[in-house]
Parts: sequence; structure tokens; C-alpha cells
Amino acid sequence: GAGVSQSPSNKVTEKGKDVELRCDPISGHTALYWYRQSLGQGLEFLIYFQGNSAPDKSGLPSDRFSAERTGGSVSTLTIQRTQQEDSAVYLCASSPSGRRDYGYTFGSGTRLTVV
Amino acid sequence: QKEVEQNSGPLSVPEGAIASLNCTYSDRGSQSFFWYRQYSGKSPELIMFIYSNGDKEDGRFTAQLNKASQYVSLLIRDSQPSDSATYLCAGRQNYGGSQGNLIFGKGTKLSVKP
Repeated sequence: GAGVSQSPSNKVTEKGKDVELRCDPISGHTALYWYRQSLGQGLEFLIYFQGNSAPDKSGLPSDRFSAERTGGSVSTLTIQRTQQEDSAVYLCASSPSGRRDYGYTFGSGTRLTVV
Repeated sequence: QKEVEQNSGPLSVPEGAIASLNCTYSDRGSQSFFWYRQYSGKSPELIMFIYSNGDKEDGRFTAQLNKASQYVSLLIRDSQPSDSATYLCAGRQNYGGSQGNLIFGKGTKLSVKP
């Protein structure tokens, strides 16, 4: 597609429920990243997929968080047993690989509210 | 701990002035640096990147990198009210040719007053 697509754009869920957030990167981009941004805060790295390599999961805050990327394209971020502190905007970004001057292109984000 | 530090601001400048945004980084392995602009309620958009020491100009924007001092800056000339946003600095470490993830600063909020 023309840009990074994320769905849903907004999600309200009850504490304790599981949620799935979807990201469809720019076609041909081999690198895909998930970040989250809490209100008034900076971007917190969560996980990074690069081609067929094992993902860098070093930013996942707890074992309630997991992500997968199927077929080198679409990615799903899953949060199990959601807590109120999970409320944030979850941003997905993609990037071509191999060049140091490529930044990310971000999607418009999913605003998650846990009530 | 790899960190990118920015003054949170707000930085307030009058319309037409030069806005100077600064960023320092702790990881000497960082080789590429990026400036993103984020309007309130929107996602970040890339405006500049730099990986060589010195200045890089693009329109009203100039990025400056000093690797010896581990310092990156963004100058916005002829500031406009539409430049009012949060500016995020990010650094990337390259691993033998493979790209790493970007480490972002918390951002500096810029306000350009008419």
C-alpha cells in the first residue's frame, strides 16, 4: 500500500481482556517496528522484525505482550490480560533494509484505552 | 543504556526567527540520526536525516551533526506558526551494515508565535 496501515484506529477494552493490534507495512519494506507512546511521553520501542531474522523483542515490557509477523508482511501485536497502564497509542513503522539513511514511516497508530 | 536526550521545552520563538533544537546521544556506535516532527494527536513524520559530520540543509531546515561531541541539532529558519509541533530526535546504531532500531528522545515542543 501507499503507507503504513494500522487497525483499529481506536480500541476501548475492559481490564483483563486480550487485544490484537494490526499493522500492514509499506509494500517491499522488510523492517517493521512497534512502538508505544503514552500521553505526553516519548516513543518506547517494543519489538523489531527484520526480514526472516529472529525479532528483537528486547523492548516488550512484560510477557503479556507478544507480536508476530506473517509472511514477512502484516504484523499483529497482542496484549493479553490488559492493564490500565497499557493505555497508550501503539505505533507501527516500516523501513526498507540495508541503508543507513532510511528512517521509518509511521502508521497513524492505534489508540488503546483500558477501562 | 543507549539514550538520546532532548530538552522538553517548550521552546517559544517569534514568527520569522530561527528555532534551534538540540539533542545529545550517549551511544558512540550511533551512526545515523533523524529528526521527526509530530503534530498533536498525529504520528511522527520524518523531516531530516544526517550521518556525516557537519551540516545538511533542506529548504528551511538544517541538521547539524558533531560526532566528537555526540551532538545533533536542527535549525528551522524563518519559523512559521505551522512549525509548532514536537520535534523528536532519534539515533540508530549500525551493526556491521545491518540497521538497528531507532532510539528516540522524548522530544522538544516548539511553539512559533505569530
